[in-house]
Amino acid sequence: DAGVIQSPRHEVTEMGQEVTLRCKPISGHDYLFWYRQTMMRGLELLIYFNNNVPIDDSGMPEDRFSAKMPNASFSTLKIQPSEPRDSAVYFCASSLTGLGARGNQPQHFGDGTRLSIL
Amino acid sequence: AQKVTQAQTEISVVEKEDVTLDCVYETRDTTYYLFWYKQPPSGELVFLIRRNSFDEQNEISGRYSWNFQKSTSSFNFTITASQVVDSAVYFCALRRGSQGNLIFGKGTKLSVKP
Repeated sequence: DAGVIQSPRHEVTEMGQEVTLRCKPISGHDYLFWYRQTMMRGLELLIYFNNNVPIDDSGMPEDRFSAKMPNASFSTLKIQPSEPRDSAVYFCASSLTGLGARGNQPQHFGDGTRLSIL
Repeated sequence: AQKVTQAQTEISVVEKEDVTLDCVYETRDTTYYLFWYKQPPSGELVFLIRRNSFDEQNEISGRYSWNFQKSTSSFNFTITASQVVDSAVYFCALRRGSQGNLIFGKGTKLSVKP
């Protein structure tokens, strides 16, 4: 089965440019998460969706960041304008709602997008 | 407040040694879930294990074992007879029963030398 697919794997761009990161969750998963990983701050949750609806975006650092999930199989994280401090690895993850005997389901992560803003 | 502490920033061992990675968590919830993820040098995050707060039974999977103790709010991870391929950053994470997000510890970088 295909896992979570993120694109691009690497992105290098100049500050001020718009950056769009893409994610395709595992088919059938109803939760989607965007994380950012830096040396200084570790792994941080930015935003997550349930059934395509944003549930918690309190981790989004600034208005320059926006995320959308137009359908169950696609999500984008956009940074506009980008700044050098946005350089990080951005992970997308998806999971199934896990209730009752099945328990809380693990999140399956994509390989990440390594973003460098010059 | 929810918090996960991995006090060991880096650990270095020689192959075949046993090593334990510590994880201490804080939560006021009675229902919660604990996870361990591995991040090898290639960068991807790999799910290792999930435990719920009602199951304190320890688990063993090959060379990996986990010790969950609610009394000390700890969920420690032991690798027996470590191998070079175990070299990675290991993250412990906490999730509340009613919410989807994971709260990660800072990670422990494990280096296994031949």
